[in-house]
Amino acid sequence: EVHLVESGGGLVQPGRSLRLSCAASGFTFDDHAMHWVRQAPGKGLEWVSGISWNSDIRGYADAVKGRFTISRDNAKNSLYLQMNSLRGEDTALYYCAKDRMSVAEYLDSWGQGTLVIVSS
Amino acid sequence: DIQLTQSPSSLSASVGDRVTITCRASQGIKNFLAWYQQKPGKVPKLLIYSSVTLQSGVPSRFSGSGSGTDFTLTISSLQPEDVATYYCQKYNSAPGSITFGQGTRLEIK
Repeated sequence: EVHLVESGGGLVQPGRSLRLSCAASGFTFDDHAMHWVRQAPGKGLEWVSGISWNSDIRGYADAVKGRFTISRDNAKNSLYLQMNSLRGEDTALYYCAKDRMSVAEYLDSWGQGTLVIVSS
Repeated sequence: DIQLTQSPSSLSASVGDRVTITCRASQGIKNFLAWYQQKPGKVPKLLIYSSVTLQSGVPSRFSGSGSGTDFTLTISSLQPEDVATYYCQKYNSAPGSITFGQGTRLEIK
């Protein structure tokens, strides 16, 4: 059974940094692309970033480009999101999601999410 | 960038009704479209991918159709447990980006 567990969320001041992690199990991690998707309170789903199986392809939403960096460690079955220069509008529940394929396609498993609150 | 527009934004229907949700892409995307269901307080769940393929374990009352710019999610006989927000999603292999529609909130009358 696929298991995705996010961690690293919390309350952070505007302009500061935070690093999210996602521990994956139950599937062959390095066969699949991985993504971060966020959902602000009461709002819809917003794709944040994705990374291919071998890290060659990394995509970012315009809203986070230049501030967030996605990475993965296939040896540790882990996905990361380094978030710098955080803003109030980054406040959201951040989901880690597994892709069906080795590059971006469709998201067939999701973690429970980790909450990031950006506030002074 | 190709945008996805869902309609309606919300709808209310009765148990047993046939329900249709539409997703329109601003440019043709072949059949590269998925549908997700997010029940209140829950994690999103993949229902349909490649426009028409039902994800394993999804009830057969759900179906998808369309290609190019116009896509449809249909629930053939609405059940109480189908109360949720539904999202369409497309992908772009280069540069590995994903886009969601704004969502359609489905309620029971």
